Amino acid sequence: DAKTTQPPSMDCAEGRAANLPCNHSTISGNEYVYWYRQIHSQGPQYIIHGLKNNETNEMASLIITEDRKSSTLILPHATLRDTAVYYCIVSPIPWGGSEKLVFGKGTKLTVNP
Amino acid sequence: DSGVTQTPKHLITATGQRVTLRCSPRSGDLSVYWYQQSLDQGLQFLIQYYNGEERAKGNILERFSAQQFPDLHSELNLSSLELGDSALYFCASSVNLGRGPNNEQFFGPGTRLTVL
Repeated sequence: DAKTTQPPSMDCAEGRAANLPCNHSTISGNEYVYWYRQIHSQGPQYIIHGLKNNETNEMASLIITEDRKSSTLILPHATLRDTAVYYCIVSPIPWGGSEKLVFGKGTKLTVNP
Repeated sequence: DSGVTQTPKHLITATGQRVTLRCSPRSGDLSVYWYQQSLDQGLQFLIQYYNGEERAKGNILERFSAQQFPDLHSELNLSSLELGDSALYFCASSVNLGRGPNNEQFFGPGTRLTVL
Protein backbone atom coordinates (compact mmCIF):
# COMPACT_ATOMS: atom_id res chain seq x y z
CA ASP A 1 0.00 0.00 0.00
CA ALA A 2 1.10 3.53 -0.72
CA LYS A 3 2.44 5.29 2.37
CA THR A 4 1.60 8.77 1.17
CA THR A 5 -1.49 10.99 1.09
CA GLN A 6 -2.03 13.55 -1.64
CA PRO A 7 -4.99 15.73 -2.61
CA PRO A 8 -6.79 14.17 -5.56
CA SER A 9 -6.72 17.30 -7.69
CA MET A 10 -5.34 20.82 -7.88
CA ASP A 11 -5.54 23.73 -10.30
CA CYS A 12 -2.88 26.27 -11.13
CA ALA A 13 -2.72 29.27 -13.46
CA GLU A 14 -0.14 29.17 -16.21
CA GLY A 15 3.03 31.00 -15.22
CA ARG A 16 2.34 30.73 -11.50
CA ALA A 17 4.03 28.39 -9.06
CA ALA A 18 2.34 25.05 -8.46
CA ASN A 19 2.78 23.72 -4.93
CA LEU A 20 1.84 20.07 -4.54
CA PRO A 21 1.67 18.74 -0.97
CA CYS A 22 2.29 15.21 0.23
CA ASN A 23 1.88 13.68 3.67
CA HIS A 24 4.09 10.77 4.64
CA SER A 25 3.71 10.71 8.39
CA THR A 26 4.96 7.12 8.77
CA ILE A 27 8.17 7.67 6.84
CA SER A 28 11.17 5.96 8.41
CA GLY A 29 14.74 7.13 8.61
CA ASN A 30 16.02 5.17 5.63
CA GLU A 31 13.27 6.23 3.24
CA TYR A 32 13.59 8.79 0.49
CA VAL A 33 10.78 10.88 -0.95
CA TYR A 34 10.45 10.55 -4.72
CA TRP A 35 8.23 12.45 -7.11
CA TYR A 36 7.14 11.16 -10.50
CA ARG A 37 4.54 12.48 -12.90
CA GLN A 38 2.45 10.89 -15.62
CA ILE A 39 1.20 12.95 -18.53
CA HIS A 40 -1.97 11.46 -19.97
CA SER A 41 -1.24 7.71 -20.14
CA GLN A 42 2.41 8.21 -21.05
CA GLY A 43 5.03 6.41 -18.99
CA PRO A 44 5.70 8.01 -15.61
CA GLN A 45 8.58 10.46 -15.54
CA TYR A 46 11.01 10.96 -12.66
CA ILE A 47 11.06 14.51 -11.29
CA ILE A 48 13.11 14.72 -8.12
CA HIS A 49 13.91 12.96 -4.86
CA GLY A 50 15.23 13.88 -1.42
CA LEU A 51 16.02 12.53 2.02
CA LYS A 52 15.85 15.45 4.43
CA ASN A 53 17.38 18.49 2.76
CA ASN A 54 15.57 20.63 0.26
CA GLU A 55 16.45 19.75 -3.30
CA THR A 56 16.26 21.61 -6.61
CA ASN A 57 16.83 20.56 -10.18
CA GLU A 58 15.91 21.91 -13.59
CA MET A 59 12.36 20.64 -13.28
CA ALA A 60 11.29 21.38 -9.73
CA SER A 61 12.10 22.01 -6.09
CA LEU A 62 11.36 19.66 -3.22
CA ILE A 63 10.79 21.01 0.27
CA ILE A 64 10.79 18.42 3.07
CA THR A 65 9.70 19.43 6.55
CA GLU A 66 12.16 19.07 9.39
CA ASP A 67 10.25 16.14 10.90
CA ARG A 68 10.08 14.59 7.38
CA LYS A 69 6.39 13.87 7.77
CA SER A 70 5.40 15.94 4.78
CA SER A 71 6.85 17.50 1.66
CA THR A 72 5.93 19.91 -1.10
CA LEU A 73 6.85 19.71 -4.75
CA ILE A 74 7.16 23.14 -6.34
CA LEU A 75 6.96 23.78 -10.06
CA PRO A 76 8.13 27.41 -10.13
CA HIS A 77 6.48 28.55 -13.38
CA ALA A 78 3.83 26.05 -14.40
CA THR A 79 3.07 25.62 -18.09
CA LEU A 80 0.23 23.85 -19.84
CA ARG A 81 2.60 20.94 -20.46
CA ASP A 82 2.86 20.40 -16.70
CA THR A 83 -0.74 19.19 -16.62
CA ALA A 84 -0.33 15.64 -15.31
CA VAL A 85 -0.85 13.28 -12.39
CA TYR A 86 1.89 13.78 -9.83
CA TYR A 87 2.89 10.89 -7.60
CA CYS A 88 4.68 11.22 -4.28
CA ILE A 89 6.40 7.96 -3.29
CA VAL A 90 8.46 6.99 -0.28
CA SER A 91 10.98 4.27 -0.82
CA PRO A 92 13.88 2.97 1.21
CA ILE A 93 17.46 3.13 0.08
CA PRO A 94 17.51 -0.15 -1.83
CA TRP A 95 20.77 -1.61 -0.61
CA GLY A 96 20.83 -4.78 -2.62
CA GLY A 97 17.08 -5.17 -2.62
CA SER A 98 14.29 -4.26 -4.95
CA GLU A 99 13.48 -0.67 -5.51
CA LYS A 100 9.98 -1.22 -6.79
CA LEU A 101 7.84 1.90 -6.80
CA VAL A 102 4.54 1.80 -4.94
CA PHE A 103 2.24 4.32 -6.58
CA GLY A 104 -0.76 5.83 -4.86
CA LYS A 105 -3.50 7.73 -6.62
CA GLY A 106 -1.47 10.91 -6.97
CA THR A 107 -2.63 14.48 -7.55
CA LYS A 108 -4.14 15.48 -10.86
CA LEU A 109 -2.67 18.92 -11.56
CA THR A 110 -4.44 21.01 -14.17
CA VAL A 111 -2.63 24.10 -15.41
CA ASN A 112 -5.09 26.61 -16.82
CA PRO A 113 -4.30 29.29 -19.42
CA ASP B 1 12.16 10.12 -24.92
CA SER B 2 13.27 8.01 -21.95
CA GLY B 3 15.38 5.62 -24.02
CA VAL B 4 13.19 2.66 -23.03
CA THR B 5 11.31 1.08 -25.93
CA GLN B 6 8.26 -1.14 -25.79
CA THR B 7 6.53 -3.09 -28.51
CA PRO B 8 3.84 -3.29 -29.62
CA LYS B 9 2.16 0.02 -28.75
CA HIS B 10 -1.29 -1.48 -29.00
CA LEU B 11 -2.51 -5.05 -28.83
CA ILE B 12 -6.07 -6.28 -29.25
CA THR B 13 -6.81 -9.91 -28.59
CA ALA B 14 -9.50 -12.26 -27.37
CA THR B 15 -10.10 -13.93 -24.03
CA GLY B 16 -8.14 -17.11 -23.55
CA GLN B 17 -5.31 -16.03 -25.83
CA ARG B 18 -1.63 -15.54 -25.04
CA VAL B 19 0.46 -12.46 -25.85
CA THR B 20 4.06 -11.33 -25.41
CA LEU B 21 5.08 -7.77 -24.62
CA ARG B 22 8.63 -6.71 -25.29
CA CYS B 23 10.84 -4.14 -23.60
CA SER B 24 14.31 -2.85 -24.42
CA PRO B 25 15.90 -0.96 -21.52
CA ARG B 26 18.11 2.10 -21.81
CA SER B 27 21.63 1.34 -22.92
CA GLY B 28 23.63 0.25 -19.88
CA ASP B 29 20.66 -0.30 -17.57
CA LEU B 30 20.70 -3.72 -15.93
CA SER B 31 17.38 -3.62 -14.06
CA VAL B 32 14.03 -3.98 -15.77
CA TYR B 33 10.66 -3.57 -14.07
CA TRP B 34 7.15 -4.30 -15.29
CA TYR B 35 4.10 -2.36 -14.11
CA GLN B 36 0.42 -2.71 -14.90
CA GLN B 37 -1.94 0.26 -14.96
CA SER B 38 -5.64 -0.40 -15.04
CA LEU B 39 -8.47 2.04 -14.40
CA ASP B 40 -9.50 0.49 -11.11
CA GLN B 41 -6.10 -0.57 -9.70
CA GLY B 42 -3.82 2.27 -10.72
CA LEU B 43 -0.12 1.64 -11.33
CA GLN B 44 0.99 -1.66 -9.83
CA PHE B 45 4.41 -3.26 -9.74
CA LEU B 46 4.51 -6.72 -11.29
CA ILE B 47 8.08 -7.98 -11.38
CA GLN B 48 11.74 -6.91 -11.51
CA TYR B 49 14.74 -8.47 -13.22
CA TYR B 50 18.36 -7.59 -12.73
CA ASN B 51 20.97 -8.77 -15.22
CA GLY B 52 18.88 -11.77 -16.20
CA GLU B 53 17.74 -12.84 -12.76
CA GLU B 54 14.40 -12.28 -11.08
CA ARG B 55 14.83 -9.93 -8.12
CA ALA B 56 11.36 -9.12 -6.87
CA LYS B 57 7.76 -10.05 -7.48
CA GLY B 58 4.73 -7.93 -6.88
CA ASN B 59 1.10 -8.50 -7.73
CA ILE B 60 1.82 -10.70 -10.70
CA LEU B 61 -0.71 -13.38 -11.55
CA GLU B 62 0.38 -16.98 -12.10
CA ARG B 63 -0.88 -16.67 -15.68
CA PHE B 64 1.79 -14.03 -16.25
CA SER B 65 5.50 -14.65 -16.56
CA ALA B 66 8.53 -12.66 -17.56
CA GLN B 67 12.16 -13.09 -18.40
CA GLN B 68 15.21 -11.00 -19.14
CA PHE B 69 17.54 -12.15 -21.87
CA PRO B 70 21.35 -11.94 -22.08
CA ASP B 71 21.09 -8.79 -24.20
CA LEU B 72 19.01 -7.36 -21.29
CA HIS B 73 15.77 -6.98 -23.17
CA SER B 74 12.76 -8.36 -21.35
CA GLU B 75 9.50 -10.01 -22.29
CA LEU B 76 6.26 -10.21 -20.34
CA ASN B 77 4.09 -13.17 -21.27
CA LEU B 78 0.39 -13.04 -20.48
CA SER B 79 -1.66 -16.19 -21.00
CA SER B 80 -5.28 -17.33 -20.65
CA LEU B 81 -6.21 -13.71 -21.00
CA GLU B 82 -9.30 -12.37 -19.27
CA LEU B 83 -11.26 -9.17 -19.81
CA GLY B 84 -9.77 -7.79 -16.61
CA ASP B 85 -6.26 -8.02 -18.01
CA SER B 86 -7.00 -5.08 -20.27
CA ALA B 87 -4.59 -2.39 -19.13
CA LEU B 88 -1.52 -0.35 -19.93
CA TYR B 89 1.67 -2.30 -19.32
CA PHE B 90 4.78 -0.27 -18.64
CA CYS B 91 8.37 -1.34 -18.59
CA ALA B 92 10.96 0.69 -16.73
CA SER B 93 14.71 0.39 -16.40
CA SER B 94 17.38 1.65 -14.05
CA VAL B 95 21.11 1.46 -13.91
CA ASN B 96 21.67 -1.01 -11.16
CA LEU B 97 20.19 -2.57 -8.08
CA GLY B 98 20.12 0.78 -6.43
CA ARG B 99 23.14 0.79 -4.21
CA GLY B 100 22.49 4.41 -3.52
CA PRO B 101 19.63 6.84 -3.84
CA ASN B 102 20.22 8.11 -7.36
CA ASN B 103 18.49 5.24 -9.02
CA GLU B 104 15.46 6.71 -10.70
CA GLN B 105 13.48 4.51 -13.02
CA PHE B 106 12.97 5.42 -16.66
CA PHE B 107 9.65 4.32 -18.09
CA GLY B 108 8.80 3.28 -21.60
CA PRO B 109 5.73 4.51 -23.49
CA GLY B 110 3.72 1.41 -22.57
CA THR B 111 1.74 -1.24 -24.39
CA ARG B 112 -2.03 -0.88 -24.34
CA LEU B 113 -3.61 -4.31 -24.17
CA THR B 114 -7.28 -4.73 -24.95
CA VAL B 115 -8.88 -8.11 -24.32
CA LEU B 116 -12.24 -8.58 -26.03
